[in-house]
Amino acid sequence: EVQLVQSGAGVKKPGSTVQISCKVSGYTFSDSYIHWVQQAPGQGLDWMGLVDPVDGETIFAEKFQDRVTITADTSRNTAYMEVRNLRSEDTAMYYCAIINGWTNYWGQGTLVTVSS
Amino acid sequence: EVVVTQSPGTLSLSPGDRVTLSCRTSQSVSSDYLSWYQQKPGQAPRLLIYGTSNRATGIPDRFSGSGSGTDFILTISRLEPEDFAVYYCQQYGSSRLLTFGGGTKVEIK
Repeated sequence: EVQLVQSGAGVKKPGSTVQISCKVSGYTFSDSYIHWVQQAPGQGLDWMGLVDPVDGETIFAEKFQDRVTITADTSRNTAYMEVRNLRSEDTAMYYCAIINGWTNYWGQGTLVTVSS
Repeated sequence: EVVVTQSPGTLSLSPGDRVTLSCRTSQSVSSDYLSWYQQKPGQAPRLLIYGTSNRATGIPDRFSGSGSGTDFILTISRLEPEDFAVYYCQQYGSSRLLTFGGGTKVEIK
């Protein structure tokens, strides 16, 4: 069974940094990009970017390229997404996902709340 | 960057109704890379359709997709109670940029 298990929810202060992990099991980690998707409360899905686990190459949506870093550790079958200089508008559920045609798996989501 | 626009924003319908959801892209996209998702409250999105018209594993045949170029459609032939949810279309471009539409909420009338 393929599972993407994300790290837990948290409350962060404005200006701080959050890192979310996404551990993949039951799937060859290097076979597909790992995507990250943001969903603000009551809003739609917003694609943030992806990482190629093979070589660490990343691609970002323009909106996220300044404050977001995505990495992959093949030794741990885990991808990471970091958002720096958090703002209130970063309060959202964050999902990691494998999106490759009919191959489509999602993590359970990680809720990040930015509040002073 | 390809912009994906879904319409309408909300549909109020009854069980048994036929549903047609629209997805329009700002430029022509490959039919191979147009997908539809269903999302219910508190859940991650679930893939319904990939490659414009292919049902994902376990998806009932009341769901169907069609379209080409810039215009795509998701049809639910007969709404079941469990189909009330938000539906998103998604395109995946040659530049590896991925975009979701804003979603269509199908609610009970």
